[in-house]
Amino acid sequence: GAVVSQHPSWVICKSGTSVKIECRSLDFQATTMFWYRQFPKQSLMLMATSNEGSKATYEQGVEKDKFLINHASLTLSTLTVTSAHPEDSSFYICSARGMEGNYGYTFGSGTRLTVV
Amino acid sequence: SQQGEEDPQALSIQEGENATMNCSYKTSINNLQWYRQNSGRGLVHLILIRSNEREKHSGRLRVTLDTSKKSSSLLITASRAADTASYFCATDAGWNFGNEKLTFGTGTRLTIIP
Repeated sequence: GAVVSQHPSWVICKSGTSVKIECRSLDFQATTMFWYRQFPKQSLMLMATSNEGSKATYEQGVEKDKFLINHASLTLSTLTVTSAHPEDSSFYICSARGMEGNYGYTFGSGTRLTVV
Repeated sequence: SQQGEEDPQALSIQEGENATMNCSYKTSINNLQWYRQNSGRGLVHLILIRSNEREKHSGRLRVTLDTSKKSSSLLITASRAADTASYFCATDAGWNFGNEKLTFGTGTRLTIIP
């Protein structure tokens, strides 16, 4: 089945630094990738949708200059949290959808970001 | 985007009993899916039901969809301790760009007591 690998699974960084999270589709080509943020005991909130080779579409209220998304190839999308602050601490999850439009949206295992 | 509502927010039952979770959504949908999330982990796709379907089964899972009421239910029969997790419904409005993004419900935290 479709597999999405997300790295790192957890990261601790200092305030003001930047963190990059990678999301790779291992056995299919992901034309569209989605990035979500999830606070403890809450649901997933979509941050942005990215299509290979084009700029990401951000949801209302998400700062595009703070959360940089790059979808340079059909198997890789990255989310960079720039100048991270403690309020950015959260669980970030990516999801990928292939060209065949199969019904499943395959999710990565998530990244726990803690900013200290 | 507007999130759907799920109820109950939390549910604790004895192992072997059935668990029912409900999901309501706000806009027209193309598909509705249910996902499971173990604590601190990614999401596992459980089942998808299309807008023109009313009921679907997969193993111990039964999903119903009532588009007139904009609601869905997930029934897990003969629950097991391993079913302890959070369950989310998610809807999409279509396959084309702009509609394909999933909107998640608020989730139900299910605890199975051995």
